[in-house]
Order: sequence, then structure tokens, then C-alpha cells
Amino acid sequence: IQMTQSPSPLSASVGDRVTITCRASQSISNHLNWYQQKPGKAPKVLIYAASNLQSGVPSRFSGSGSGTDFTLTISSLQPEDFATYYCQQTYRTPPTFGQGTKLEI
Amino acid sequence: EVQLLESGGGLVQPGGSLRLSCAASGFKFSSYEMAWVRQAPGKGLEWISYISTSVTIKSHADSVKGRFTIFRDDAKSSLYLQMNSLTAEDTAVYYCARGSQGSSYYFDYWGQGTLVTVSS
Repeated sequence: IQMTQSPSPLSASVGDRVTITCRASQSISNHLNWYQQKPGKAPKVLIYAASNLQSGVPSRFSGSGSGTDFTLTISSLQPEDFATYYCQQTYRTPPTFGQGTKLEI
Repeated sequence: EVQLLESGGGLVQPGGSLRLSCAASGFKFSSYEMAWVRQAPGKGLEWISYISTSVTIKSHADSVKGRFTIFRDDAKSSLYLQMNSLTAEDTAVYYCARGSQGSSYYFDYWGQGTLVTVSS
């Protein structure tokens, strides 16, 4: 299953509301996860099963969607949110990732 | 605290072999599915291998099938990746990741990664 993210890159400012989109090549129900990765660090899960916030993740992050179209929204960008974001489907093996969206200042 | 610590990366010549290790702590290792994910320099994430609990199921990406083997030692709380016939395309940071439990599947903890460089 191919996962396509847009836009990439994404330029924004502190305080902005931003939305990243992920599209699957076939229906994946809600088996969609979002990860954040900062330079030189391991990815960290933000959202699982399309809309569930991982414990410890700030509430400004939210996810939605089902089937083939999904979104990750950051309601008010903070300086620490500038990173690369990946979606991942776990509906079928292999659990493929999107190409990533780099969120830039 | 859950910790995953990879080791075994380094410089290897094309055609060579390397074994990566991932030492787990802070949780009951035998109860969790585990995986390896890699990231080539400046590129995105690529899942490469998966192993179930009790080693009943193993799965590998087509890009490494027949060359890489995932295995685990629950007594040592460790995950391994045996990599053979390495090529320059295998150069990447390799992460071990823990699979979540429950009805939704995702990687809830990741190690810090170990760099594998394949070059002559």
C-alpha cells in the first residue's frame, strides 16, 4: 500500500494552524499512525488509529480520517514542533510509511 | 522506563555481513512484537523486518528478503538482525521498534538507532 503525504515541505510560523495530509493507495480503514521525527532522533508516535492521541502528546495535535484520506492538524504551532512528520499504515504488511513532510519555519 | 538500545552498526564492505542487536529493558520483552526500521541518509523511514511473540511469525521487506534475518532471544530481552550480502543501498540508520499491544498496531517505542555504512 502506497502512502502519499502533502505538502512537502511545509512552511509555517509559530502560532499557525497547520494541516498535513496523507493519502493511501487503497482503503486502510483507520489503521493510520502519525510520527514526528527531529534531526538525529528516533521517530515518536503522536497519533495512532487515525485519531487517538498517544499518551504524553500535547493536545494541540489531532488526527482525523478513514478509508484513504487522513489529516494531522497542529492547532497552534510551537517552536518545538518544527520537525518531519510521517504517516504509516498498519492495515497490511508491509507497514508502509509516507515520504515525510518537513515542517519548516 | 522502556528502553531500547541498538548496537552492532559500523563500516562494512559490500558483500559483507553484520549483526545488529537491540537490548530491551523496562518491559516484559517476550510479550511484545518487535520490528526493525531503517532510514537511509536524508531519506524517509522504511520498515524492513517484523517478528511476533514466541517467534511464530517473521516477515521481511522485499528489499532485504533472503539477505536479512530477524530473530529474538526472550531470555536475554534482545532482538537481532543478521544482515548478509550487504550493498551500498543498505547504508542507513537502523532502529528497533516495539509494536503496540491492543487492537491498534503502531510502534510505540523506538531505540536511538545504529548507523550501518556499506562502503569499500
